This record gives sequence, C-alpha cells and structure tokens, in this order.
Amino acid sequence: QQPVQSPQAVILREGEDAVINCSSSKALYSVHWYRQKHGEAPVFLMILLKGGEQMRHEKISASFNEKKQQSSLYLTASQLSYSGTYFCGTEERGATNKLIFGTGTLLAVQP
Amino acid sequence: DGGITQSPKYLFRKEGQNVTLSCEQNLNHDAMYWYRQDPGQGLRLIYYSQIVNDFQKGDIAEGYSVSREKKESFPLTVTSAQKNPTAFYLCASMGAGPDLYGYTFGSGTRLTVV
Repeated sequence: QQPVQSPQAVILREGEDAVINCSSSKALYSVHWYRQKHGEAPVFLMILLKGGEQMRHEKISASFNEKKQQSSLYLTASQLSYSGTYFCGTEERGATNKLIFGTGTLLAVQP
Repeated sequence: DGGITQSPKYLFRKEGQNVTLSCEQNLNHDAMYWYRQDPGQGLRLIYYSQIVNDFQKGDIAEGYSVSREKKESFPLTVTSAQKNPTAFYLCASMGAGPDLYGYTFGSGTRLTVV
C-alpha cells in the first residue's frame, strides 16, 4: 500500500515556507525524499534512517517519526528552483532496499 | 561519469507487440529497479533485482518480464499481456550497505501504444 502524502499540491511565493507530510500504514526502516521536475527523472534529496533523525539538503530539512510511521519535509525560504513534485519513498522493515513511493506533492513557487 | 542510461527515450508500440526497454548502469550498484509512473499515481514498482540472476516481482508485475544476466544491465520487456502499457518507465539503482545516497534514476522511457 502506497504511503499517503499531503497536501497533494501547494503554491508558494518565493521566500515562503511549506511542509509536506508522508504517512505509512507499515512499520518503516527508512524514508527517502525525492524531487522530480516536469519530464525529468526524480532526484534524491535525503534519507532518514532512524526515528527522530533529521537531515538537511540546502534549506530543505526532514524529520522521521518512526513510532507514528510518518515523515515530514520542511522547505524553508522557498526558491523558484524548489518547484517540482516531491515524493517520499518508504522502506518497510524486512523489505531491505525496496522503496514504495507516495503519490507525490506538486509544489509551485512563484516570483 | 557514472550513471544510468535508459533507451530509447520514446517508444511506440502497436497493440499485441512485445517491446524491450533497456537499462544500463556503470555505478557498480547491486540493486536495480523498474518503476512505472502514471499521472497522479506516483511511482509503482514493477520488478526489482538485488543481485545478478535473481529478481522479484513488485506490486504491478503482471504483463512484464525482466532478466538480470549482468550486474550492469536490467532490461524490461512489456508483453502483449500488459493491457495498459502507456506510461513513463523509470529504471533505478542503489548500492549495497550503508548507502546514504538513495536511488539513482535513469532519464526514463516514455512508452505509447498506437
């Protein structure tokens, strides 16, 4: 079963902040985050390997609540280059190295 | 430069035909994956392989087949049994061990049934 992402879409002005959530019904070993520009392949942003771990990629950070089986992606002071579709990929316990992706969150940053 | 090469970029298939999508990597990664992407549905796992000569079905394997005869190569065949093959197909790989770099994706193949 695919993890659920929310919101499905968000529109921001440059400099504004956003949060994207990813929730799974399964116990997780890790959570990955990727960004995909239109017509291109997804690009890896970060991986969270254990509960509570927070990672950072430029001004984008993420947290992982292992107990709640949830992860959140925080985009701070958004830039035009942040536009794209964000996917979480979850790795379930016992299913090493196999990711199940969420349905994605479309982020549009406007000048 | 290391990476994943998918070919062709665009592919047109007539109904009833089998087609093979190529995926080659020079990253020395053990694990390789095939995903299908449809609008609004994210990426869905078709097949994956953790090691040469071994592969497992993903969530939507029906109508597809794969082989893994070499570490570098993981071709996907879309058979005539796949009723709705029009989609964007992505190949990915990942290294073994404590890899903090996630999946590396190819640039994708857009398949259209005509």
